[in-house]
Amino acid sequence: DTEVTQTPKHLVMGMTNKKSLKCEQHMGHRAMYWYKQKAKKPPELMFVYSYEKLSINESVPSRFSPECPNSSLLNLHLHALQPEDSALYLCASSRDDRLYLGYEQYFGPGTRLTVT
Amino acid sequence: AQTVTQSQPEMSVQEAETVTLSCTYDTSENNYYLFWYKQPPSRQMILVIRQEAYKQQNATENRFSVNFQKAAKSFSLKISDSQLGDTAMYFCAFMKLTGGTSYGKLTFGQGTILTVHP
Repeated sequence: DTEVTQTPKHLVMGMTNKKSLKCEQHMGHRAMYWYKQKAKKPPELMFVYSYEKLSINESVPSRFSPECPNSSLLNLHLHALQPEDSALYLCASSRDDRLYLGYEQYFGPGTRLTVT
Repeated sequence: AQTVTQSQPEMSVQEAETVTLSCTYDTSENNYYLFWYKQPPSRQMILVIRQEAYKQQNATENRFSVNFQKAAKSFSLKISDSQLGDTAMYFCAFMKLTGGTSYGKLTFGQGTILTVHP
């Protein structure tokens, strides 16, 4: 099973709303990632979790708040977003066993977010 | 910082023919990993092939193969016997490891939109 699932598939929210994106994997991966992707552009890394601890934050605005409650689950909490935050938000995961280097990342289908 | 350049914004190929997508990168690192990812329209990103920089042998995965030229910092993808399902945006990506971990940050190129025509 090489599946990363994301919910919801689509989300429309106002600038004053609070919503959350969810990502789940059952591959035993211990590294999980959030990316933001604009149309016809490459994904941009936002956050990396390793063993449920935040490892990388690419200077993302605080209106995006990640959370990793357990090794299978990754959330992205959204609050007071701007219209320019509208994008496809991708989750990914990879092995992180410190025994081998350079594991590839497996991506979920993404959540298409529209901020009105 | 690493940069990845895909100089072909769009390409097209006839079904059953061969096409090569270009990718160059710039880095001062010696140990790194290179990937090609495929993102079909409105579908999720899929890993096509990976190459470890320390391996001289070019990676091959069924109809997909790479030409890895480390000195030239070039990593092109060859798709043989192109199929309609190969229509997608293709991203070349560079990964440098983060201090002793098994994972790293992916730096993507701008992508090449490949259309396979029947």
